[in-house]
Amino acid sequence: DVKVTQSSRYLVKRTGEKVFLECVQDMDHENMFWYRQDPGLGLRLIYFSYDVKMKEKGDIPEGYSVSREKKERFSLILESASTNQTSMYLCASSGGVLVLNYEQYFGPGTRLTVT
Amino acid sequence: DAKTTQPPSMDCAEGRAANLPCNHSTISGNEYVYWYRQIHSQGPQYIIHGLKNNETNEMASLIITEDRKSSTLILPHATLRDTAVYYCIARVVSNQGGKLIFGQGTELSVKP
Repeated sequence: DVKVTQSSRYLVKRTGEKVFLECVQDMDHENMFWYRQDPGLGLRLIYFSYDVKMKEKGDIPEGYSVSREKKERFSLILESASTNQTSMYLCASSGGVLVLNYEQYFGPGTRLTVT
Repeated sequence: DAKTTQPPSMDCAEGRAANLPCNHSTISGNEYVYWYRQIHSQGPQYIIHGLKNNETNEMASLIITEDRKSSTLILPHATLRDTAVYYCIARVVSNQGGKLIFGQGTELSVKP
């Protein structure tokens, strides 16, 4: 079974702090994704990566950056946390064959609260 | 990508088959149909996908009509743990990243 793990289930940070969210997958997947999910707004893509050291902006990259130094790990960084970044953050991974791009496996999510 | 339409909610008795419909009348020939579900406070879970043939895996069956304008996800023996929001997505497979877009979905309640 594919396993995607995220470093924290719940996180509380203060405004202005630098926040690191870590995601690790154990299926040797090429693609990794960071989404946030908010009530009424659905799932929104922040960044994705299709290879080590490669990254692409999603729909809402402002205020975030990412790092992918190893194939299995994809980190999301909030450079200076703000209250409007309070959300559920979801990491996902998928294989590199095209039809599998949308067969994504998600982690349990990190519920981040910025106060 | 084709717009998909699903009923907002459905009930199903435990042990019975749950049949979740999805309408995608504007689907194009190269769009796949994907199904996901999300149990409350958990990450989404991939269930199944198909192009035009019916598909079955250990979780569910996917029936796609011959004209591809609609599909049905079947959970053959629903359990209480199948209570979740189910999302139907139509996407063109491309090398442009793989962004998932969830609509409103169907909230399935499995009752004892």
